[in-house]
Formats: sequence, C-alpha cells, structure tokens
Amino acid sequence: DAKTTQPPSMDCAEGRAANLPCNHSTISGNEYVYWYRQIHSQGPQYIIHGLKNNETNEMASLIITEDRKSSTLILPHATLRDTAVYYCIVFQTGANNLFFGTGTRLTVIP
Amino acid sequence: DVKVTQSSRYLVKRTGEKVFLECVQDMDHENMFWYRQDPGLGLRLIYFSYDVKMKEKGDIPEGYSVSREKKERFSLILESASTNQTSMYLCASTRTRAVGLYEQYFGPGTRLTVT
Repeated sequence: DAKTTQPPSMDCAEGRAANLPCNHSTISGNEYVYWYRQIHSQGPQYIIHGLKNNETNEMASLIITEDRKSSTLILPHATLRDTAVYYCIVFQTGANNLFFGTGTRLTVIP
Repeated sequence: DVKVTQSSRYLVKRTGEKVFLECVQDMDHENMFWYRQDPGLGLRLIYFSYDVKMKEKGDIPEGYSVSREKKERFSLILESASTNQTSMYLCASTRTRAVGLYEQYFGPGTRLTVT
C-alpha cells in the first residue's frame, strides 16, 4: 500500500529551485524515505534517500522534517531535462520492494 | 557505470504466443526484479529473485513465470500472452536488501503490445 501522498503535478521555471513535497505521516522509526524519478519512456532513476537527517548529493537535497512526517526534495537549479515524474517512497522494513505510487509530474518551463 | 539492459525496447506479439523478456545487469547484484507499469497504476511487482535459481512471487504473478539460471540474467516469461498483458515491463536490480542501501537500478523498459 502507498504510504505517501504527493501532489499530482507541479510546474517550475527553468533555473529556479524545484521543491517537491511528500507527506508520509504514518512512517515508522526505521523506515527510510527514497526518491526516484522517471523521465518519459525511460526506467526510474534513483535520486536520493534518507532516514532522519537532511541529505545532499550531486542531484538533489532531501529535507526531512523533525517529526519525519513529511519531506521535500529540492532540485536547486531546475533544467528542462528535470521534467519527469518524481516518486517519494517509504521503504517498509521487511518489504520485498519499493512501492511506486503515481508520483508528482514536474514540468520545467523555459 | 551501472548498467541494466533489456532485450527489446518495443515488442509486438499475438494472443497465445509465448513471450520471453530478458534482463541483464553487469553490477554483480544479488537481487533482481520484474515490474509492469500501466497508466494510473504506478509500478507493480510481478516477480523477484534474491539469488540464482531462486524466485518469489510479487503482487501480480498470475500469467507470468521467471527464470534465473545465472546471476546476471533474469528472464520474464509470458506463457500464453493475452491482451491484458499489454504494458511497459521494467527490470531492476539491487546490490543488497539492506533497507538503508536499497537503491534499485532500472533498465530502459520493454513496451509490449499483445494483439
């Protein structure tokens, strides 16, 4: 079952920061938050994941609230190539796989 | 660079045909997965494998079988293709099942049409 809630779509101007929210109010203490994206006609691509602390890598930053009930994926300078569906996933301990819901369709506008 | 490849990007088959979808990863990963993706339904897990010759049913295994004879190769088989199996099929692999290291690497997908 999906344990996350994301807006179905968002727009972002090219060059600006894209902030994608995710609600996971029922997350358990040992469950991680993962983010993937899927560009049209390609397989999903791993972006970042975290447990409690904020994380940053070459692609994005992940901000997790102190109560861990929500998080935000930040693409600091969105480009047209960042147009994709972004999936926020809570990985359930003991689960066999990541559950991909329907995600947020991000459109970067020139 | 991490690589998961799938044998075909596009495939058209007739109802009743036996269909083989091949997936190969070059990362020496233990775990491999087959998903299908349909509009409005997200990705759904069909089968997965944690080791050679091992397989486990996912959420929607009916009408499918799998084979893992070698570590790097995981095949999905549609024994008798039906029109409701028209879909995008995605293969993935992971190095470990550890919850904090669960980065799945996906192939480009095979868009199968059954007529």
